[in-house]
Amino acid sequence: DTGVSQNPRHKITKRGQNVTFRCDPISEHNRLYWYRQTLGQGPEFLTYFQNEAQLEKSRLLSDRFSAERPKGSFSTLEIQRTEQGDSAMYLCASSLVQGSRHEQYFGPGTRLTVT
Amino acid sequence: DQQVKQNSPSLSVQEGRISILNCDYTNSMFDYFLWYKKYPAEGPTFLISISSIKDKNEDGRFTVFLNKSAKHLSLHIVPSQPGDSAVYFCAASGNTGTASKLTFGTGTRLQVTL
Repeated sequence: DTGVSQNPRHKITKRGQNVTFRCDPISEHNRLYWYRQTLGQGPEFLTYFQNEAQLEKSRLLSDRFSAERPKGSFSTLEIQRTEQGDSAMYLCASSLVQGSRHEQYFGPGTRLTVT
Repeated sequence: DQQVKQNSPSLSVQEGRISILNCDYTNSMFDYFLWYKKYPAEGPTFLISISSIKDKNEDGRFTVFLNKSAKHLSLHIVPSQPGDSAVYFCAASGNTGTASKLTFGTGTRLQVTL
């Protein structure tokens, strides 16, 4: 399977703990995106990388959130001092910048529950 | 503010009939539109897209129509099949050529009945 993969698929943590999620994009894709989805809503953009450079961050991404994409391959999203409001599905997507096509391909997501 | 709106939270259609899902947007800078399908516990799956220079794009049973003056797009599924039952998200992107972030609607749950 050569799609986007995310680990772990589920994470339960206590408030105040740190968590880290990993995303492995489709191998030839140069852009990687992170989104967050809560119940009844569509995915909301958090940040994206082109190769290893983080090009844009949403205002949703508070100081407790940090994302990295070392060497332009996989990416990690870390949440420090988790809060109950961080409970959501965290989705990763990747794309190949090619002309004007904007299709992004999503992974299965990591569901975070903060108790 | 919700820049991409899907005003119908749910839709029920009989198998074999046409399903029409609607989406409105407010940001005139959007110039590329996409539809995604999502099953429970899975990530969104890309279905079909359309650039603002076109008004129609077709791929098998799926056709997307874009009315720029009305800032409205729709997804037609013909004929509808039970496997099409899922949540459908409309998404939009701006800045042609830079492949930037997607802005999603809240989704429409489609149920195709036998």
